[in-house]
Amino acid sequence: AQSVTQLDSHVSVSEGTPVLLRCNYSSSYSPSLFWYVQHPNKGLQLLLKYTSAATLVKGINGFEAEFKKSETSFHLTKPSAHMSDAAEYFCVVSDRYSGYSTLTFGKGTMLLVSP
Amino acid sequence: EAQVTQNPRYLITVTGKKLTVTCSQNMNHEYMSWYRQDPGLGLRQIYYSMNVEVTDKGDVPEGYKVSRKEKRNFPLILESPSPNQTSLYFCASNPLGTGNNEQFFGPGTRLTVL
Repeated sequence: AQSVTQLDSHVSVSEGTPVLLRCNYSSSYSPSLFWYVQHPNKGLQLLLKYTSAATLVKGINGFEAEFKKSETSFHLTKPSAHMSDAAEYFCVVSDRYSGYSTLTFGKGTMLLVSP
Repeated sequence: EAQVTQNPRYLITVTGKKLTVTCSQNMNHEYMSWYRQDPGLGLRQIYYSMNVEVTDKGDVPEGYKVSRKEKRNFPLILESPSPNQTSLYFCASNPLGTGNNEQFFGPGTRLTVL
């Protein structure tokens, strides 16, 4: 069965400093991995996705993530945080075992950005 | 405008009173899905549909029903709501008959069951 663990429930950074949001997954069947962002009282927006192409994936708003099979990780990074990045972030996995029909979300990481 | 719409956006009801939350997409997407979001638990998939007349259970289907009679609509039905179904619900769709693609989310429906 697929699963995903977001290692931090909250991450606090200062504006202009790097962001690292950690995600580990469990899947034995060619996983696809996604990061979504949810701003307060808003729906979810796709930041980036990995679907077995390049392991370093670039997304919107300067975010990127690297798929590391040996570490079963898909951490999200950004070189310099902006106040508008404050939101909740979800790591998501889907895999071939389920025919990519089901998605499993992590519990979320709240990113707090201070001036 | 391409979008996923949900109605109602907010609903307060009482235990046992049947309700339906509608979901409609205008993008001709094959795959549609329902999630509930609870604090500290992230989003959990309730039901999904890979095409018309094809539905299947997600991780938390108990107490819910769905139907997919036409491609654009995927209503969520609570036959006898209970307080533990108080949650924020999202409908989503994507163009493939699979979840392996970007999901387009609706704006959410906040349900309170008293």
